[in-house]
Amino acid sequence: NAGVTQTPKFRVLKTGQSMTLLCAQDMNHEYMYWYRQDPGMGLRLIHYSVGEGTTAKGEVPDGYNVSRLKKQNFLLGLESAAPSQTSVYFCASSYSWTSGRPRNTEAFFGQGTRLTVV
Amino acid sequence: GIQVEQSPPDLILQEGANSTLRCNFSDSVNNLQWFHQNPWGQLINLFYIPSGTKQNGRLSATTVATERYSLLYISSSQTTDSGVYFCAVEVRAGGGNKLTFGTGTQLKVEL
Repeated sequence: NAGVTQTPKFRVLKTGQSMTLLCAQDMNHEYMYWYRQDPGMGLRLIHYSVGEGTTAKGEVPDGYNVSRLKKQNFLLGLESAAPSQTSVYFCASSYSWTSGRPRNTEAFFGQGTRLTVV
Repeated sequence: GIQVEQSPPDLILQEGANSTLRCNFSDSVNNLQWFHQNPWGQLINLFYIPSGTKQNGRLSATTVATERYSLLYISSSQTTDSGVYFCAVEVRAGGGNKLTFGTGTQLKVEL
């Protein structure tokens, strides 16, 4: 059981380049989240999704786009990377349906992606 | 949005000491979790505790939802307990639930 897997683990980008971070979960969770963590700070929510085909903005959405075309995947895109986007990015998933009924579940996190924009 | 404050922000313990970490939140929440971020950056689930008390080995947690706070107790601390402890609350937003993190408590356990 892999849980939540993030790809890649590390990446260095030049200013203005684009990239996509992939998050995959195998727990059949409905909700998925992207966070960023900057040195000495907590995790701030970028975007989240409450189900396949849905997305919503979090606290710090500017400069990022997301897509949830498949339930198990949540993609985070940077169209034109900036040095201010240097950070560690975490993906998480939670919440499932069991026997036709919604069931709150704890959130599980991926191992993080360390992104540096130079 | 909801505010989540943790105290103390920093804590240094001698190995074997006990400690209590606090998490205050400004509004009603659906759920609350405690996480440990180890020195390698991994976020490890400690407790899923919307209310009541739970124990897991040397760790225990209590959430009093009506008074909007949660406590994490660490007994007989070990150097491997070092890292950052986060609480995160789940609130209803935009047709679903949103998880908001607290500011964290940086713990260092020394020999």
